[in-house]
Amino acid sequence: ELKVEQNPLFLSMQEGKNYTIYCNYSTTSDRLYWYRQDPGKSLESLFVLLSNGAVKQEGRLMASLDTKARLSTLHITAAVHDLSATYFCAVDISVDGNKLVFGAGTILRVKS
Amino acid sequence: GAVVSQHPSRVICKSGTSVKIECRSLDFQATTMFWYRQFPKQSLMLMATSNEGSKATYEQGVEKDKFLINHASLTLSTLTVTSAHPEDSSFYICSARSSGRIGTQYFGPGTRLLVL
Repeated sequence: ELKVEQNPLFLSMQEGKNYTIYCNYSTTSDRLYWYRQDPGKSLESLFVLLSNGAVKQEGRLMASLDTKARLSTLHITAAVHDLSATYFCAVDISVDGNKLVFGAGTILRVKS
Repeated sequence: GAVVSQHPSRVICKSGTSVKIECRSLDFQATTMFWYRQFPKQSLMLMATSNEGSKATYEQGVEKDKFLINHASLTLSTLTVTSAHPEDSSFYICSARSSGRIGTQYFGPGTRLLVL
């Protein structure tokens, strides 16, 4: 059975600090996605990682993918309050982009 | 970027009634649409995948007779929750994928269903 595990599930951090969210998965895949969800809202796409070693950065967020280790990371640099949200990773287990399996999500709270 | 809309955004209904939720791709043709359900403070669970003009493929444990999916055109898919019960109350999110972009799903804003 495919498992997509995120940790931590809840993260409370001070503004200005750095932290990393981890996403481990149990099957072979070279396509992984990170999404942000604000309360009561749908998903906003953050990163699409399509190959081993892929690294993408947008503002204070940087995502990477290691398909051999079946691990992706979302690194937060110098957190600000506006980053408070729930972050999901999702693994594509199909060959044609038809099946995403989501992690449980990480609730991030950045304190001023 | 690609835009996906959902209607209604919020619906309250009585137990036993049916509710239809629409998902539209506004600026691209969606050969495949997906329906997810999200319970409070939980992750998204894929309910079904629908391809235009063919029957939907349901995930294990999802009742196809209860959650009717119609993907009648390349821009519209509907999810009908039949004989809704309070346990069907949830946040329903659709996504759409075009034929030319493998793996890229564009998510709608979601529909919050409350069954009384």
